[in-house]
Amino acid sequence: EVQLVESGGDLVKPGGSLRLSCAASGFTFGSHSMHWVRQAPGKGLEWVSSMDSSGRHIYYADSVRGRFTTSRDNAKNSLSLQMNSLRAEDTAVYYCARTVGSGTYFDYWGQGALVTVSS
Amino acid sequence: QSVLTQPPSVSAAPGQKVTISCSGSSSNIGNDDVSWYQQLPGTAPKLLIYENNKRPSGIPDRFSGSKSGTSATLDITGLQTGDEADYYCGTWDISLSGCVFGTGTKVTVL
Repeated sequence: EVQLVESGGDLVKPGGSLRLSCAASGFTFGSHSMHWVRQAPGKGLEWVSSMDSSGRHIYYADSVRGRFTTSRDNAKNSLSLQMNSLRAEDTAVYYCARTVGSGTYFDYWGQGALVTVSS
Repeated sequence: QSVLTQPPSVSAAPGQKVTISCSGSSSNIGNDDVSWYQQLPGTAPKLLIYENNKRPSGIPDRFSGSKSGTSATLDITGLQTGDEADYYCGTWDISLSGCVFGTGTKVTVL
């Protein structure tokens, strides 16, 4: 069974940093592109970042580029999101999700991790 | 800011049909396949339709998708109370080099 489990969500002050992790199981992690998608309270889905299976190609939304860094460890079946210079508008539930092959559809999602940026 | 436009809400009685539209541009829907996601209250999104009109295993055929030009549509027939949820379309935008989602549509069963 495919499972994606996020962890690391917390309350952090503006300007602070936080690192989210996504533990994957039930599939060959190193064969899939992985992604971060967030959802602010009461709002819609917002794509954050994508990383291909090798980790060589990474894409970021304009809203987080330069502040957030996505990484992966295929040996540990793990995806991470390092978030720096956090702002109030980064408050959201952060989901990790996977895609299949060259497709751009997210076939499995984690349960999400809540990040709250507030003083 | 969502690049794809959906109606904020649609509603119908049980057993009826609803249609959700998703409008984009040549750099997103016009250039790539569309997927649809269902998000029940308090849960993570779930893949409903991929590659415009394909259903993952376990998704009933009451859900169907189509795409034409720079727009896509999700149809839900035989509406059930369990279909009350938010629905999002999604695709890749070649100009933004990133994934884009629709604004979301809340389906209400009257």
